[in-house]
Amino acid sequence: KAGVTQTPRYLIKTRGQQVTLSCSPISGHRSVSWYQQTPGQGLQFLFEYFSETQRNKGNFPGRFSGRQFSNSRSEMNVSTLELGDSALYLCASSLGRANTAEQFFGPGTRLTVL
Amino acid sequence: AQSVTQLGSHVSVSEGALVLLRCNYSSSVPPYLFWYVQYPNQGLQLLLKYTTGATLVKGINGFEAEFKKSETSFHLTKPSAHMSDAAEYFCAVSDRNTDKLIFGTGTRLQVFP
Repeated sequence: KAGVTQTPRYLIKTRGQQVTLSCSPISGHRSVSWYQQTPGQGLQFLFEYFSETQRNKGNFPGRFSGRQFSNSRSEMNVSTLELGDSALYLCASSLGRANTAEQFFGPGTRLTVL
Repeated sequence: AQSVTQLGSHVSVSEGALVLLRCNYSSSVPPYLFWYVQYPNQGLQLLLKYTTGATLVKGINGFEAEFKKSETSFHLTKPSAHMSDAAEYFCAVSDRNTDKLIFGTGTRLQVFP
């Protein structure tokens, strides 16, 4: 069974631009979560989607948004990029809720904002 | 709100030595507890998970963790370190009030020959 895939793997953007990251979960997994990973901060929860509905949201500004499609694939969008948005963005899928079930993580998209 | 503290951002051990990575959480209500491992340039992988029942949990690659309610701790151990154990380890706790998974800041394990 294929794992979680994320595209692109690397992105370089400049301040003020917007970016869209994509995540394809493991087949059969309907829950998809997104995390921001930065050195010293660990993983910060962005949001969780289940069956095309946002089920939970972290403490990030409205510039961060996401959605999930009927095939469970998910996208995350960041508008008006800031230098502090430079991070590794991880997507994870699970059969159950993200806070109780085993999550399967993709390799991440490394975003650099110049 | 639930919080997680991982003592020591870096831990170094010799190959064959005991590995001990510390994790403490804040809630007095027993939560779900997880340890994940991240190898270089990869996503996270579940090592083990505690929900209810037996407080000593065995995971993959010879790791285990013990849930101690009185100490609000869930430390990760392995009797004998291998070079392949070098990675970053994250403790995570479910917050039953917010249904969020809260991660610690991680501990990078180095294993020396």
